[in-house]
Amino acid sequence: QAVVTQEPSLTVSPGGTVTLTCGSSTGPVTTTHYPYWFQQKPGQAPRTLIYDTNNKHSWTPARFSGSLLGGKAALTLSGAQPDDEADYYCLLSYSGDPMYVLFGGGTKLTVL
Amino acid sequence: EVRLVESGGGLVQPGASLRVSCTASGFTARINSMSWVRQAPGKGLEWVSVVHSRGDTLYADSLKGRFTVSRDFSTNTLYLQMHSVRVDDTAVYYCSAWSDSHWFVHWGQGTLVSVSS
Repeated sequence: QAVVTQEPSLTVSPGGTVTLTCGSSTGPVTTTHYPYWFQQKPGQAPRTLIYDTNNKHSWTPARFSGSLLGGKAALTLSGAQPDDEADYYCLLSYSGDPMYVLFGGGTKLTVL
Repeated sequence: EVRLVESGGGLVQPGASLRVSCTASGFTARINSMSWVRQAPGKGLEWVSVVHSRGDTLYADSLKGRFTVSRDFSTNTLYLQMHSVRVDDTAVYYCSAWSDSHWFVHWGQGTLVSVSS
């Protein structure tokens, strides 16, 4: 089975820009992995920010964007705010019989 | 809006069985698929299983055989039957639901399952 990898931790300054990445042990991440990104704050349930690589929900702040970058899925935060401090998880879909989805280990983002 | 409420968590001994539930309310007619995701204390998210509207189910490879997911469409309730539970099954079990092909739109607040002797 595949392994999905993320940076364990990142730090960004308030107002700054940071990119979180999501890689797959099976090779380059593509749109056929339908990458998702989730935000989770302490004591709360996860919240989906991005689906299918770069699509936002109505509640997703405009400062978040998704993309593919260098063979990985990427979540870019532009203009970080203190409220963005949280754990971020990516999820990839793997086709096959049966198909399955896998979460990455998560990135703890500090805004400091 | 869809509201999801999990229940059935608690303290259980290793080797026992436990069933957790997730009841949906609100615009439930829009729900197509429902899924379980768990999170061990201080750890990351782990996908467990999914049930689609036609009743087809998928499981994480590591849990296949011990966990069984089912759904009662008449009461909009999702179940996860856990057998032969182990200490490492200790986690908050979250329920998620969605109405189209985009997964994990709605989330419940989770129910804690603790496995300990």
